[in-house]
Amino acid sequence: RKEVEQDPGPFNVPEGATVAFNCTYSNSASQSFFWYRQDCRKEPKLLMSVYSSGNEDGRFTAQLNRASQYISLLIRDSKLSDSATYLCVVTTGAGSYQLTFGKGTKLSVIP
Amino acid sequence: DGGITQSPKYLFRKEGQNVTLSCEQNLNHDAMYWYRQDPGQGLRLIYYSQIVNDFQKGDIAEGYSVSREKKESFPLTVTSAQKNPTAFYLCASSIDDWSSYNSPLHFGNGTRLTVT
Repeated sequence: RKEVEQDPGPFNVPEGATVAFNCTYSNSASQSFFWYRQDCRKEPKLLMSVYSSGNEDGRFTAQLNRASQYISLLIRDSKLSDSATYLCVVTTGAGSYQLTFGKGTKLSVIP
Repeated sequence: DGGITQSPKYLFRKEGQNVTLSCEQNLNHDAMYWYRQDPGQGLRLIYYSQIVNDFQKGDIAEGYSVSREKKESFPLTVTSAQKNPTAFYLCASSIDDWSSYNSPLHFGNGTRLTVT
């Protein structure tokens, strides 16, 4: 089983739609979780950290389910500018060198 | 504004030549990293450095070398021993407190290396 798995997509959704991505991780000792956004041919940028109780930032909601070992990202009221690849990132210990990146889920929001 | 600068953005080299990719940060971060990204693949860690004059191999260090003589700088050399050097190379930094599990990475804008 791969360490961090994501559905590669692409997810093609109309503007205004709600879309959800899941990410599963294999290491039950994983401690920290992040969602990054990567635009085509650009560097990844931190979208949000994922906290145990779940957290929200505007139209974005992140959830963590430790029992089932997955995290999710929900995007409400999708905008054209949300089109990007969303990377799930998991740490397995202290120190950022222990980050494991998923391959990403591609989202295309269409008018 | 603070940030990480990678140069050049695009680099073309002939097979058999070594090439050095530059990475500079003014965020005062202790830790710096080099990742490689191939199409359809997740980022893979090449080397990382948690403090000046010290660095460690990541998952795919073969064919690469680094140095960390200054806190701000972490150049990566892609040697002729690297079998498939063509890729998108990303430098990153983090505060990386040893006691912290939540040190997100800040990335440079990447160098796209093509070797023919």
